[in-house]
Amino acid sequence: NAGVTQTPKFQVLKTGQSMTLQCAQDMNHNSMYWYRQDPGMGLRLIYYSASEGTTDKGEVPNGYNVSRLNKREFSLRLESAAPSQTSVYFCASSPSGQGGIYEQFFGPGTRLTVL
Amino acid sequence: GDSVTQMEGPVTLSEEAFLTINCTYTATGYPSLFWYVQYPGEGLQLLLKATKADDKGSNKGFEATYRKETTSFHLEKGSVQVSDSAVYFCALRSGGGADGLTFGKGTHLIIQP
Repeated sequence: NAGVTQTPKFQVLKTGQSMTLQCAQDMNHNSMYWYRQDPGMGLRLIYYSASEGTTDKGEVPNGYNVSRLNKREFSLRLESAAPSQTSVYFCASSPSGQGGIYEQFFGPGTRLTVL
Repeated sequence: GDSVTQMEGPVTLSEEAFLTINCTYTATGYPSLFWYVQYPGEGLQLLLKATKADDKGSNKGFEATYRKETTSFHLEKGSVQVSDSAVYFCALRSGGGADGLTFGKGTHLIIQP
């Protein structure tokens, strides 16, 4: 099993450009998440998807959109990138469901720089 | 809202020293608690977890006990190695469902030979 995979690993954008970060998991997990990691800030939740067909906002959703394409894939889109979106983005998945407490499994991250 | 506070780093220790990284939390209800570790250039890996009061999570020589009375989940290891150098994150999740984790800011641990 590859676990959680993310593409690309690195990306440089100019202000105003758009891009989509891809994430896929092969563990048959119900839930998937997007976080951003900034120096001295820990990880902050952008969006999550409890199950296929559903998405919900997290702590910092502004400037982002997401798509849960199927059970395996969860993409994050920046429609008009801004320098404040320079960060490392992590995708995670979890077998969680109602009533359960499960760990999250993380991908290797995408390092995004917006000039 | 939920929050996690952990000691700021970097924390620098000599090999074989005793390690404690403090973590306290604020949450509604009875959260589950986690320690994640991030090695340079990698994603986060679960180190250990505890889901109810007085539970002790342990893995790779690391331990943490869920203390509800002090709302704490301190990470300890008796004898650290150079290979333990990494960033450690304390995190919590309130209740069930599929909500995301709330993370502390992370503690950078440096072990010198």
